[in-house]
Amino acid sequence: DIQMTQSPSTLSASVGDRITITCRASQSINYWLAWYQQKPGKAPELLIQKASSLQSGVPSRFSGSGSGTEFTLTISSLQPDDFATYFCQQYHADLTFGQGTKVEI
Amino acid sequence: QVQLVESGGGVVQPGTSLRLSCAASGFTFSNYGMHWVRQAPGKGLEWVAVISSDGGDTYHVDSVKGRFTISRDNSKNTLYLQMNSLRAEDTAVYYCVKTDCNSIGCRLLDYWGQGTPVTVSS
Repeated sequence: DIQMTQSPSTLSASVGDRITITCRASQSINYWLAWYQQKPGKAPELLIQKASSLQSGVPSRFSGSGSGTEFTLTISSLQPDDFATYFCQQYHADLTFGQGTKVEI
Repeated sequence: QVQLVESGGGVVQPGTSLRLSCAASGFTFSNYGMHWVRQAPGKGLEWVAVISSDGGDTYHVDSVKGRFTISRDNSKNTLYLQMNSLRAEDTAVYYCVKTDCNSIGCRLLDYWGQGTPVTVSS
């Protein structure tokens, strides 16, 4: 199985901050990586697919980069609505998830 | 808009069975593969099973193989997860998830339901 290691597990930040979350794969997954946002009690939402393709309707302050084994999700200017948990998912072989990053104030 | 509404969760004893349902709307259900994904309390997400758009192909992860069965009824726009021989380690929130194409090889999860909780405890 491909293991996904996400860091940090918790990130304390303020409105307006630029933040970066990292996801590392145990072997190359090319660009088959997605990022999701989940708020408490709500369904996860797909933000980014193929490592860097923003889903329709997702604000442009979100961006993704990387290929192979190392990937990042960046929020350029954190907004109040962005405080949530983010997790990555590889879909190169089977399907595995990172452990999640909780972005809090 | 796409809506996925899970039901059927609850508190059950070890060794018993439960069937989860997921009512889909807002898209042509019969055109897309569907997944079940679960999240145990305080843990990460775990993929459980996938089914092709026509129901002809399925895949279950090893931890549930032989105990859980994914199925669908395209005439009712409904996805199911039959869970037998439940164990304490099956305790989790179970999410119904749509994928972006029709086969069991489709693994981009583009829409999720809100989940239904299952607790296995004596």
